[in-house]
Amino acid sequence: AQRVTQPEKLLSVFKGAPVELKCNYSYSGSPELFWYVQYSRQRLQLLLRHISRESIKGFTADLNKGETSFHLKKPFAQEEDSAMYYCALPAKIDQAGTALIFGKGTTLSVSS
Amino acid sequence: SAVISQKPSRDICQRGTSLTIQCQVDSQVTMMFWYRQQPGQSLTLIATANQGSEATYESGFVIDKFPISRPNLTFSTLTVSNMSPEDSSIYLCSVATNEKLFFGSGTQLSVL
Repeated sequence: AQRVTQPEKLLSVFKGAPVELKCNYSYSGSPELFWYVQYSRQRLQLLLRHISRESIKGFTADLNKGETSFHLKKPFAQEEDSAMYYCALPAKIDQAGTALIFGKGTTLSVSS
Repeated sequence: SAVISQKPSRDICQRGTSLTIQCQVDSQVTMMFWYRQQPGQSLTLIATANQGSEATYESGFVIDKFPISRPNLTFSTLTVSNMSPEDSSIYLCSVATNEKLFFGSGTQLSVL
């Protein structure tokens, strides 16, 4: 069954430090993976998806099929990056537009 | 993208009563999803609502407890029936468009 694991519940870093939010997955097909972010008092929104290979707000994520990982990285954290981050993948294998399964989420706290 | 209006944004309800949550989208979408986010937990998919057919429920969720309507391609409702304190949660409406998921702002439900 499809599964997403985010091992860290909380990650605290100082401003300017590198950030890596971990995500491991279990998926039978060719995975499409997403990172969603929820800032305080805002709705959940898409941060990036691996298929687009883009960098949003300085964040990148590389799909590593060998390690079944999709870690989210940013070289220099900013205070405005403080938020809850969710890794997600499709609930149904190789089906576009399907619902997503979410990891438990990691709270990123960036302090000055 | 899709703009989703969800209401009510929050409600406090008495045990044994029912609450209907509405979700309105600014464009026609085939698939709409309802999620639950319990305190300190990740998002859990309740059901998929397609226009013109009955909703498909995930394991652990049943139609009698969470009846869903999908009268057209821009609107859906989720009813939380015969509520108990365990139903206290955030309920989220979501739509898939261009292979991305967009979310409503959520309904925070507290059951006394």
